[in-house]
Amino acid sequence: DAGVIQSPRHEVTEMGQEVTLRCKPISGHDYLFWYRQTMMRGLELLIYFNNNVPIDDSGMPEDRFSAKMPNASFSTLKIQPSEPRDSAVYFCASSLAALYNEQFFGPGTRLTVL
Amino acid sequence: GQQVMQIPQYQHVQEGEDFTTYCNSSTTLSNIQWYKQRPGGHPVFLIQLVKSGEVKKQKRLTFQFGEAKKNSSLHITATQTTDVGTYFCAGKGTGNQFYFGTGTSLTVIP
Repeated sequence: DAGVIQSPRHEVTEMGQEVTLRCKPISGHDYLFWYRQTMMRGLELLIYFNNNVPIDDSGMPEDRFSAKMPNASFSTLKIQPSEPRDSAVYFCASSLAALYNEQFFGPGTRLTVL
Repeated sequence: GQQVMQIPQYQHVQEGEDFTTYCNSSTTLSNIQWYKQRPGGHPVFLIQLVKSGEVKKQKRLTFQFGEAKKNSSLHITATQTTDVGTYFCAGKGTGNQFYFGTGTSLTVIP
């Protein structure tokens, strides 16, 4: 099993540009989570999906952030327009069968907005 | 809103010393999970506790879930350099939310 796959691993962009982060969960997992990690704010849950449906997006910082899950094997997190304060490591994770089961994290995308 | 705090934020220990991190939630949790994140890596699941007062052990690691299901602890006996990393607790609160703690960064001095 390849585990959770995220792309790109690193992204450097300029303020105002659109950024799209991608995630492929572990096959068969029905929960998918997007997290943001910074030194100041720690690990924050942004949004999670169950069976491709967004369940809780209360952690999404503002309207510049959007997430989609068009099918069971793919999800995107988009930031438009990006700002320097969005610089962080973004993790995708997936789990099987329940919100409180073990989460498997991807390697993360390190985003730098100049 | 609900908060899950961990103390201490940082801990430096000599190799061989014990280490404990404490996790405290402002509200009752359905469960508590513990994750370890190595420097530059991603969080990796260690264990889950569900029952009030539950204690689980993994070799040198002992995990405990409080009676009121609002706090938890992770104790490492005789730390090794391989224990270096940040330890996070996490849990499901009321409703659909899932919270990660603030983390404790452990440094082990050889």
